[in-house]
Amino acid sequence: DIQMTQSPSSLSASVGDRVTITCQASQDIGKYLSWYQQKAGKAPKLLIYDASNLKTGVPSRFSGSGSGTHFSFTISRLQPEDIGTYFCQQYDSLPPLTFGGGTKVEIK
Amino acid sequence: QVQLQESGPGLVKPSETLSLTCTVSGGSMSGFYWSWIRQPPGKGLQWIGYMYYSGSSDYNSSLKGRVTISLDTSKNQFSLRLNSVTAADTAVYYCARYDWSIGSFDIWGQGTMVTVSS
Repeated sequence: DIQMTQSPSSLSASVGDRVTITCQASQDIGKYLSWYQQKAGKAPKLLIYDASNLKTGVPSRFSGSGSGTHFSFTISRLQPEDIGTYFCQQYDSLPPLTFGGGTKVEIK
Repeated sequence: QVQLQESGPGLVKPSETLSLTCTVSGGSMSGFYWSWIRQPPGKGLQWIGYMYYSGSSDYNSSLKGRVTISLDTSKNQFSLRLNSVTAADTAVYYCARYDWSIGSFDIWGQGTMVTVSS
């Protein structure tokens, strides 16, 4: 199984800050990575697929990059509504589809 | 727009079978994989398995053959059965639509908490 390691596990930043989360795969997964946002008590919501493609309707302050084993997810200017937990998920080698452990984003 | 809704018991006894159903509304099941994902309290996401609308399926081998997913396209529903449950199976269970073309779960149900306890 491909292991996905996210860092940091949590972060606190101010409104307007640039926030970056990283996701490392245990083997090469090409561009086959998605990012999700999960708000407290809610289901995850797809933000990005194929490492950098923004899902229609997702604000442009969210972006993703990377390929192979190293990926990053950035919020260019953190907004209060962005608080939640963010997960990466690989789909290069399945089954199983695997998720990262999550990064909790809070407002300072 | 397509919406998903989980239903089923919130409490299951150890060694018994967990059974959940997901109802798909607002669209057809054709062309997609229909999935179950779970999240233990305070933890991350675990993919359980999925079934294609035509009937092929894949499961997470870590569940050691305890899981079965089935589809009823006439009712626009799909179901999860997890046998021989233990406390480790306590989690929020989500149903979700997996779009193979983008490799992602693009629509999710709201989730249902299932507790395994006597």
